[in-house]
Amino acid sequence: GAGVSQSPRYKVAKRGQDVALRCDPISGHVSLFWYQQALGQGPEFLTYFQNEAQLDKSGLPSDRFFAERPEGSVSTLKIQRTQQEDSAVYLCASSLGAGVYSSSYNEQFFGPGTRLTVL
Amino acid sequence: KNEVEQSPQNLTAQEGEFITINCSYSVGISALHWLQQHPGGGIVSLFMLSSGKKKHGRLIATINIQEKHSSLHITASHPRDSAVYICAVRSVTGNQFYFGTGTSLTVIP
Repeated sequence: GAGVSQSPRYKVAKRGQDVALRCDPISGHVSLFWYQQALGQGPEFLTYFQNEAQLDKSGLPSDRFFAERPEGSVSTLKIQRTQQEDSAVYLCASSLGAGVYSSSYNEQFFGPGTRLTVL
Repeated sequence: KNEVEQSPQNLTAQEGEFITINCSYSVGISALHWLQQHPGGGIVSLFMLSSGKKKHGRLIATINIQEKHSSLHITASHPRDSAVYICAVRSVTGNQFYFGTGTSLTVIP
């Protein structure tokens, strides 16, 4: 597809269940970011991949959160033993480049998000 | 601690008005982003700035690195501009992003 896709779009989980959220970045994009957006709040950074390397996972809120991107394309965010406070929209974004400064190569393209509700 | 502060939180304007949304940040950055989020969640990147000023259509974004401040201006506002506008900064290491809580803009016909 032309953009970043995420699946599922909506996920309802019972407290204690494990969930896996998928992100398909734009083909060829080097950088991939995961964000968590609670209702009424701005997104918060979770983790960053450059190709298959997870360069920063400092935003993951607990060791129940795990992300991977084994082949440098599709990424999965896994949440184990979900809690009610995990309820949020999980956003994925990708960019073509791995640079940090303003450039069209470093512009982020966002997926539609996965809305996770933990009951 | 909020690394990025936006103001105002909510803004209502009449169609045609000139709008300014402000963003201040407290960390060293490599770039600042302005994002637009419509109801339903989709986020679109409007601007990415490391210095100076950028213009796209009716939107203008400026950044003052020394003052750690950026503004997003919308000229001749239109109801379709109604959305949440989010300021985000990328850390100097390049690995982390910090987001403001957003400015909810409503443009009334």
